[in-house]
Amino acid sequence: QSVLTQPPSVSAAPGQKVTISCSGSSSNVGDNFLSWYQQLPGTAPKLLIYDNDKRPSGIPDRFSGSKSGTSATLGITGLQTGDEADYYCGTWDSSLTAYVFGSGTKVLVL
Amino acid sequence: QVQLVQSGAEVKKPGASVKVSCKASGYTFTRYYIHWVRQAPGQGLEWMGRINPNTGVTRYAQKFQDRVTVTRDTSINTAHMDLTRLTSDDTAVYYCARDFYGSGSPFDSWGRGTLVTVSS
Repeated sequence: QSVLTQPPSVSAAPGQKVTISCSGSSSNVGDNFLSWYQQLPGTAPKLLIYDNDKRPSGIPDRFSGSKSGTSATLGITGLQTGDEADYYCGTWDSSLTAYVFGSGTKVLVL
Repeated sequence: QVQLVQSGAEVKKPGASVKVSCKASGYTFTRYYIHWVRQAPGQGLEWMGRINPNTGVTRYAQKFQDRVTVTRDTSINTAHMDLTRLTSDDTAVYYCARDFYGSGSPFDSWGRGTLVTVSS
């Protein structure tokens, strides 16, 4: 049972937009910066968004992040077949003193 | 460039222990924490613990507190993760990753993962 809640899957046609939610509590999402990770099939996770809404070098601006209170959202615009992957949110939990991940969301490009 | 190179796949019997290594290069090893994250087949990511390579201080997830030990050898820029009393539930890919602050900064570089299979 993951501490952070994400929808199991989202889908859209190529070129369209999807959003993925990440819901937590005051001790994790509400208290710390949030990151998003992309895991392509058979590969290690890769940092996609950090500090709620910042993109590392090389990440296209089709990917965006936002946070409000104890929830966060990852947005992907101009969906491409190469975006098919699992996406995880993650942050520190100040009460558990542990890093916590979301349950993961599979993005399907129809 | 930053690299975290992990040791190879392992097959272990129930009750045994496993040691996975993570060799860092391309940055100053002692300036970034090393974390261990595992992923069981078809499942999500699970944080196990971390080490401050500069001080050797560790913190573990409560679930693994009595079975996991993370160490480091600064002479060879390598972190190790020992997991004891293995069961089939420990079959997973084990990743190492680094972050700057140890408590909430992003995992900006990951190893490729080490598959540990526990089977009789």
